[in-house]
Amino acid sequence: DGGITQSPKYLFRKEGQNVTLSCEQNLNHDAMYWYRQDPGQGLRLIYYSQIVNDFQKGDIAEGYSVSREKKESFPLTVTSAQKNPTAFYLCASSLGQGGAEKLFFGSGTQLSVL
Amino acid sequence: GQNIDQPTEMTATEGAIVQINCTYQTSGFNGLFWYQQHAGEAPTFLSYNVLDGLEEKGRFSSFLSRSKGYSYLLLKELQMKDSASYLCAEKDSNYQLIWGAGTKLIIKP
Repeated sequence: DGGITQSPKYLFRKEGQNVTLSCEQNLNHDAMYWYRQDPGQGLRLIYYSQIVNDFQKGDIAEGYSVSREKKESFPLTVTSAQKNPTAFYLCASSLGQGGAEKLFFGSGTQLSVL
Repeated sequence: GQNIDQPTEMTATEGAIVQINCTYQTSGFNGLFWYQQHAGEAPTFLSYNVLDGLEEKGRFSSFLSRSKGYSYLLLKELQMKDSASYLCAEKDSNYQLIWGAGTKLIIKP
């Protein structure tokens, strides 16, 4: 079955450490996204990619980095520059970016600071 | 900037009907989405409206009024499994989604 897989489910970061969240999809989707979800707030876009080897910053890209070397994979690195990283991180994909294109989400990664 | 407003929390009774409202700013509109999210899980797509009117899909219906910048999600014959957060999202002129904070729906027996 096609889908989008995030790992790990839970992740702990120490002070000054970079951590990488994995996102893989086998839906053959061109577009992939990373969102951050905090209690009481809407999803906020960190980075998105419309095609392999290209990505754009979203609304809250500072302290994060991504790569898109393969169509199936869009890993997110939370760097030590991100001072408040505790949040639920959601990866998503869509066939394209047109008006009616719906997002398919992974099951999320809860990142906490030790 | 764009704002999406929806109630923070609603409570309803099993078997009843509930309407969850969402208002958005009308500039650069390219569609309105509703997603369901159970606690700690992935959001899943419920509906998409781009034209005015009501779209019915089983127990769930979604309504849009573009002139009023208003949408609602109507859930009928509520079941306990409908307890979840319901996220409203507008697609803007750049085809990016602007998300509301979500409405937590609590279903009581």
